[in-house]
Amino acid sequence: DGGITQSPKYLFRKEGQNVTLSCEQNLNHDAMYWYRQDPGQGLRLIYYSQIVNDFQKGDIAEGYSVSREKKESFPLTVTSAQKNPTAFYLCASSTDSYGYTFGSGTRLTVV
Amino acid sequence: AQKVTQAQTEISVVEKEDVTLDCVYETRDTTYYLFWYKQPPSGELVFLIRRNSFDEQNEISGRYSWNFQKSTSSFNFTITASQVVDSAVYFCALITNFGNEKLTFGTGTRLTIIP
Repeated sequence: DGGITQSPKYLFRKEGQNVTLSCEQNLNHDAMYWYRQDPGQGLRLIYYSQIVNDFQKGDIAEGYSVSREKKESFPLTVTSAQKNPTAFYLCASSTDSYGYTFGSGTRLTVV
Repeated sequence: AQKVTQAQTEISVVEKEDVTLDCVYETRDTTYYLFWYKQPPSGELVFLIRRNSFDEQNEISGRYSWNFQKSTSSFNFTITASQVVDSAVYFCALITNFGNEKLTFGTGTRLTIIP
């Protein structure tokens, strides 16, 4: 079945560490997105990529980095520059404005 | 710039009651799409409906119905005869910039159905 796979489901990070969240899709979608969800704030866009080897900052890109070397993959790195990384992270893909397909998310906690 | 407002942060109703979730949007574009997503406790966002700006017909799908009114910039969602499985967070969202399609989400409404 086609879909989006995010891993890991839960991730713990120590202060000062970089961590990478994985997002893989087998839907042959061109566009991929990373959203951050905090309680009571809805979803906010971190980064997005319309095609391979190209990506743009979203509304809250500071402290994050991404790469898009393959169409199927769009990993997100949470760097030590992100001062408040504890949140729920959702990856999505789309092929047109019909809508997004979302992954099941990664819950990141700083310990 | 576009904006989606879901003024109801949390709603609780007793099972079998009807409930309406409100969504108000802002955009200067004449062409746009509106969406509703459901987020159950597992976290994944489940697509419920898409509506384009040129189609104001109301839609019904089983116990779910949607009322799109451009005159009031609203896209409200009604669940009839609610069930415990309807308990979730519901998001309304908007796309306006075709070719650069970023969803703008509301802050969500947490719906709790009391058995």
